[in-house]
Amino acid sequence: GAVVSQHPSRVICKSGTSVKIECRSLDFQATTMFWYRQFPKQSLMLMATSNEGSKATYEQGVEKDKFLINHASLTLSTLTVTSAHPEDSSFYICSASSGGYSGNTIYFGEGSWLTVV
Amino acid sequence: AQSVTQLGSHVSVSEGALVLLRCNYSSSVPPYLFWYVQYPNQGLQLLLKYTTGATLVKGINGFEAEFKKSETSFHLTKPSAHMSDAAEYFCAVSGAAGNKLTFGGGTRVLVKP
Repeated sequence: GAVVSQHPSRVICKSGTSVKIECRSLDFQATTMFWYRQFPKQSLMLMATSNEGSKATYEQGVEKDKFLINHASLTLSTLTVTSAHPEDSSFYICSASSGGYSGNTIYFGEGSWLTVV
Repeated sequence: AQSVTQLGSHVSVSEGALVLLRCNYSSSVPPYLFWYVQYPNQGLQLLLKYTTGATLVKGINGFEAEFKKSETSFHLTKPSAHMSDAAEYFCAVSGAAGNKLTFGGGTRVLVKP
């Protein structure tokens, strides 16, 4: 089946630095990818929709200058948390939408734990 | 606009007993409905989905769900719980295939031996 891979699975960074998380669709082309954030013991909150070759669409309340999203190819989207602070510590999950044979099914990555110290 | 409500943040069942997880949705367009399972520190795995057609949907691991438009519900069931079913379960809705998902709050399932 279709696979979405995230890297890194865990990252620790110092406050004030930036960190990049990658989301790759391994065996299909994803024109659209989604980035979610999940706090411990809570549900997933959509942060932004990433469209290949165009600017991401951010949900209300999400700072686009802080959470930079780039979708430069049909198999890769990146989320960069800029000037990270401890409150940005969270579980970040991406998903990718495939078309064609999978009928636009949405596949999720394994998630990335970000800890800002 | 869409929203999802999962009744019960925690459900405890005995091994071999029926698992019932409740999900109600609201949607201004015909909904696409999903159930996902999440094991600790992992991503989400699709259990089943309803798009169109048959309202009783069968998924993986013995789970099934029934779409009831009149009740705006999409409850998840499994006849006999297994220890490996202990996880967090999320109901989600979207307005179109491949579109962004709106998630419910999640239900954590504990399976007692």
